[in-house]
Amino acid sequence: ETGVTQSPTHLIKTRGQQVTLRCSSQSGHNTVSWYQQALGQGPQFIFQYYREEENGRGNFPPRFSGLQFPNYSSELNVNALELDDSALYLCASSPRSDGDRYGYTFGSGTRLTVV
Amino acid sequence: AQSVTQLGSHVSVSEGALVLLRCNYSSSVPPYLFWYVQYPNQGLQLLLKYTSAATLVKGINGFEAEFKKSETSFHLTKPSAHMSDAAEYFCAVRLGTGNQFYFGTGTSLTVIP
Repeated sequence: ETGVTQSPTHLIKTRGQQVTLRCSSQSGHNTVSWYQQALGQGPQFIFQYYREEENGRGNFPPRFSGLQFPNYSSELNVNALELDDSALYLCASSPRSDGDRYGYTFGSGTRLTVV
Repeated sequence: AQSVTQLGSHVSVSEGALVLLRCNYSSSVPPYLFWYVQYPNQGLQLLLKYTSAATLVKGINGFEAEFKKSETSFHLTKPSAHMSDAAEYFCAVRLGTGNQFYFGTGTSLTVIP
């Protein structure tokens, strides 16, 4: 059984640029969620995808967008990067749409630095 | 509103001592509660979860937590700390409806030899 794999592990971008982060979900998991974890903080929910449709969103602006593909891998896209977007971005997958009742499998994250 | 509060951003215990990490939640509906652990440069690993079955929940690595509705608490305990327990611990809550997961700000556990 494979885990959740995220790429890249580290990334440096300039303010105003766009970035795409990738996540390969655990085998058999059809639900993926993305979280932003600022330094010294707990993860904050960005959005969740179930079977390629967004089915939940946290308090993040529209410049944060996502995609989920038929093989259940996913992307997080952030446009017009701001300095405050610097954080660890975590992807989490679950075998069911209400996976947050049962807990997710988390990846190791992508550390994004905006300069 | 719904949230979790973790009391104590840093906790230090001696090796072999009791570990107690505190978590209080606010929720107007029965919550689902979780504890996750995060080791340096890694993602989150599920320690245990409460989903309205037994109030005393046993997890991995010898950890357990007790759901106390009257105190709105879900504190994490371990009888005897090991050096390998040093990590960041997060309490999280999900309401009975909706699909958002709310994390606390975390407690950093240091184990002193």
